[in-house]
Amino acid sequence: AQTVTQSQPEMSVQEAETVTLSCTYDTSESDYYLFWYKQPPSRQMILVIRQEAYKQQNATENRFSVNFQKAAKSFSLKISDSQLGDAAMYFCALTSGTYKYIFGTGTRLKVLA
Amino acid sequence: DAGVTQSPTHLIKTRGQHVTLRCSPISGHKSVSWYQQVLGQGPQFIFQYYEKEERGRGNFPDRFSARQFPNYSSELNVNALLLGDSALYLCASSAGRDSSTYNSPLHFGNGTRLTVT
Repeated sequence: AQTVTQSQPEMSVQEAETVTLSCTYDTSESDYYLFWYKQPPSRQMILVIRQEAYKQQNATENRFSVNFQKAAKSFSLKISDSQLGDAAMYFCALTSGTYKYIFGTGTRLKVLA
Repeated sequence: DAGVTQSPTHLIKTRGQHVTLRCSPISGHKSVSWYQQVLGQGPQFIFQYYEKEERGRGNFPDRFSARQFPNYSSELNVNALLLGDSALYLCASSAGRDSSTYNSPLHFGNGTRLTVT
């Protein structure tokens, strides 16, 4: 069975500072994909960043980057220069080639002005 | 381009009733997936449809059913509603059949909030 664990229910960060959200996963598949989704109060899940397991290079999207440690099955999200608009629930997700995504329980990020 | 649209946005039903939720995918997307998100949890996979055929089903009872129409829109039906069915129901669309296509991740709608009393 595939699992995704987010051990931080809530995190806070000062505006303009950097924060890292943690995610660990478990899968027996050799080919899989990892995602971070953001869910603001509007409820829509918005894709933040994605990583293919076969790629060693960590994905980066503007202020968002990941630290993908395949052997440790760890996939953390780093948000640099945090902005008030980054406040949301963040979900880590895993899929192995289908659209059955396995989501973690989420981390609520608060950005303090 | 319009994103994934879901209707209704909110719904209140009584135990034992039936509900139908609707989803229109992004234009050009042929795959639609449904997820249930209980308060305080991450989304749980219910169904995936591609080209009008069921391609995947999560661990949900037979009270849950879905279908996809020729225009790729989809309906999720839930019979004999239980209090535990209260949740946010998310629809997501994607261009490809599976997520191995790099440029084809899931795109979600704003969801339907279902309350069962």
